[in-house]
Amino acid sequence: GESVGLHLPTLSVQEGDNSIINCAYSNSASDYFIWYKQESGKGPQFIIDIRSNMDKRQGQRVTVLLNKTVKHLSLQIAATQPGDSAVYFCAENISAGGTSYGKLTFGQGTILTVHP
Amino acid sequence: KAGVTQTPRYLIKTRGQQVTLSCSPISGHRSVSWYQQTPGQGLQFLFEYFSETQRNKGNFPGRFSGRQFSNSRSEMNVSTLELGDSALYLCASSLGLVGREQYFGPGTRLTVT
Repeated sequence: GESVGLHLPTLSVQEGDNSIINCAYSNSASDYFIWYKQESGKGPQFIIDIRSNMDKRQGQRVTVLLNKTVKHLSLQIAATQPGDSAVYFCAENISAGGTSYGKLTFGQGTILTVHP
Repeated sequence: KAGVTQTPRYLIKTRGQQVTLSCSPISGHRSVSWYQQTPGQGLQFLFEYFSETQRNKGNFPGRFSGRQFSNSRSEMNVSTLELGDSALYLCASSLGLVGREQYFGPGTRLTVT
């Protein structure tokens, strides 16, 4: 079925460390992926996206890696800060229209806690 | 540019009642998607509207409905509320093209008693 799952429900790091959040997706037809950050009491905030014709994309302090062979996605956060503490979700979409319109399929989420 | 706004932010209803939630997308965005977020099921897609037309629908009962107006604002309605409908309801706006990012509002926290 269409599902996106996360390997680790919680991740605890020290300030300044690098964090890696993983995600496995099951739909091989998915070709667009997004990472979101959700803080308590807020809606998900867009972090970075990647299309299936790429295997790496970098943003400010974040890097997303895509391995289509094993259907795995990861988010790397460099020099993690206390303000990065939140729940992180990966989401997938199939850019083929039809039943894909507006529909993101989300993973369960990983709770990232950054200790000062 | 203003972000996605949702009203009300909090709502308490009784079983059997109905509720209407509102979402105003980012200016220029014509697509609005709605999601339900619960601790047990996570984020689940409800439906998507583009140019006043529902283009896609998730696996929710017919008690969940929505509409979109000519200014792209959207409403969702839940009739005959059940305790299990207690959730955070999120809307997301986008340009409406597939394979493009969605931007979320803060959500409406619905509690059914």
